[in-house]
Parts: sequence; C-alpha cells; structure tokens
Amino acid sequence: EAQVTQNPRYLITVTGKKLTVTCSQNMNHEYMSWYRQDPGLGLRQIYYSMNVEVTDKGDVPEGYKVSRKEKRNFPLILESPSPNQTSLYFCASSSGQGINEQYFGPGTRLTVT
Amino acid sequence: GNSVTQMEGPVTLSEEAFLTINCTYTATGYPSLFWYVQYPGEGLQLLLKATKADDKGSNKGFEATYRKETTSFHLEKGSVQVSDSAVYFCALSVPNQGGKLIFGQGTELSVKP
Repeated sequence: EAQVTQNPRYLITVTGKKLTVTCSQNMNHEYMSWYRQDPGLGLRQIYYSMNVEVTDKGDVPEGYKVSRKEKRNFPLILESPSPNQTSLYFCASSSGQGINEQYFGPGTRLTVT
Repeated sequence: GNSVTQMEGPVTLSEEAFLTINCTYTATGYPSLFWYVQYPGEGLQLLLKATKADDKGSNKGFEATYRKETTSFHLEKGSVQVSDSAVYFCALSVPNQGGKLIFGQGTELSVKP
C-alpha cells in the first residue's frame, strides 16, 4: 500500500529536550516536505527536499532542522523545542512539482511544555 | 506574495443541503489549484484539482472551477452527506517553487442528519 508514515503520532515533551519526528514514504517519491498546522493558519511549510541531499527552507523554518540521506526518509529535528512549536505536524511526498498530488502522512501531534 | 483565503467556518448543514465553500487566491504566474480534505484524526487527502483557467475538477460529487478572472476556486456539492463532515483546505501551487503548497486556513464542515 502506497503511504507516508510518521512516528510518533503523539509526543509530549519539555522545553529544550531534543526530539526527532521520522517520516518515511514507500512510493519512491523525489519530493518531500514538512508542514505544521495551527488553528486559523492552515498548513505552513517548514522545510522541503527535492531529492537526496537537497533541502531548502519553507516559510517557517526557524527552530527546525531536516536531513535527506535516503530517498524514502525525511526526519524533522527539533534541537531545542519551545512551547511555540506545539503544533500538528504533517509530512508529505510527491513524485514531482506543482500539479502532482502530494500524499500526506497521518500527522504528529507535538506538545512542548 | 502568494496567498489563499477561504470562507471562515465552521459551516453546519443538514443532510442533502447544497454546499459552497468560497476560496480566492493571489498568485504570481499560473498556479495550480487544489482542494484537500481532512477527516477527523487523519492526514490530508487530495479531493480535486485544476491546473489551468476554466478547468473543472470533480470527485465524489464535489466540484470546483478555476476562475482566473475572479481568482476563485469555490468548492460545491449538490447534496451533502453526514460522511462529508471534515475540514476542507483550498491550496495553490506555483511553478518553480519546489512544489510548495500554500494553504488557506481551512473550513470545518459539519453535516447533521
């Protein structure tokens, strides 16, 4: 089954404790992206990657890091989480740009206290 | 810059009522337009898309027409069902920006029996 998986689905942590949210896709997609969803703001792109070892900032990259060492994986790293990073995070992938459908993971709900 | 504006929710309708969710956009170039749906506890799924002016996207009884003259992409359905209850996101993708999706804030739809 074609899918994007994320782990964990739910995470409660404390300020400053480094964490990683994993994302994996089994569709051999080149393009992967991370979004955060906040009430009244829709989804905003954090980082994206157009291929292995190629990453770039989205609209809200501050406080986040990513890596793309393998085509299927695109982890999101919060080196020193803060309460304003409490949000619902989605990973997405697609085979190319623009008109190609983006497939979304089920989401990771992060709470930073 | 590029942006998407959706009508505010929540929208509450009775089963079999007509649905319209308004979406307007601002974009440079020639964007592709999308409607995504998010069912409770799940990630986003592509509902329909249109890639050029006057295109009509349709799926599961929903439809939307790409209107360049009014920069709009309103979502409509003739007869909603309880199972259509979800959050609906309008989005655009602009060429040569890495496939980034720019989302509206989302509109929550609740359909009552």
